Amino acid sequence: ETGVTQTPRHLVMGMTNKKSLKCEQHLGHNAMYWYKQSAKKPLELMFVYNFKEQTENNSVPSRFSPECPNSSHLFLHLHTLQPEDSALYLCASSQGRETEKLLFGSGTQLSVL
Amino acid sequence: GENVEQHPSTLSVQEGDSAVIKCTYSDSASNYFPWYKQELGKGPQLIIDIRSNVGEKKDQRIAVTLNKTAKHFSLHITETQPEDSAVYFCAAKGYSTLTFGKGTMLLVSP
Repeated sequence: ETGVTQTPRHLVMGMTNKKSLKCEQHLGHNAMYWYKQSAKKPLELMFVYNFKEQTENNSVPSRFSPECPNSSHLFLHLHTLQPEDSALYLCASSQGRETEKLLFGSGTQLSVL
Repeated sequence: GENVEQHPSTLSVQEGDSAVIKCTYSDSASNYFPWYKQELGKGPQLIIDIRSNVGEKKDQRIAVTLNKTAKHFSLHITETQPEDSAVYFCAAKGYSTLTFGKGTMLLVSP
């Protein structure tokens, strides 16, 4: 384990469902990230939080809604997703926003039917 | 923005051989170049990184070289072992966030 824990590991949902992905770390890191990993594509940065404040939103559709209640927890709320949203969603953390070394969780494999 | 190209997409070697993965980047302002290894069912893990003021860095069987003039950097793995089999990602960072390559699947056959 890397110290970044993601739950659930696998999720299957219909297009009308609402679900949430959870990420937590107790490493004292202040920056947390959501990435999307699709087959044969580069890792896509979705959101960045630094000290609980969202600092980046890379043109992500509104059907993805992040939440960062504190520096240790990060959520990604999902609603009315499309089949093309099926992917591995990775959470990462770093000491600070300017720190390049990312520590990734194992991801949530999402399938949208 | 930054664009990172990674080659090859798949690399098969025999145990004990060397493996080389190459990446090019577009933004001359990029100054940090990490490499991540992703095993099946796990997230990417940082294995080595290099900054623009260094031309080469080595950690046991793994080395990374950087050519800033040509804007390319490479990962070298010597004496490959079956446990080196994984997907390897390069990335580059300048003023903004990390930009990743598409990954290289390395297969090491016993």
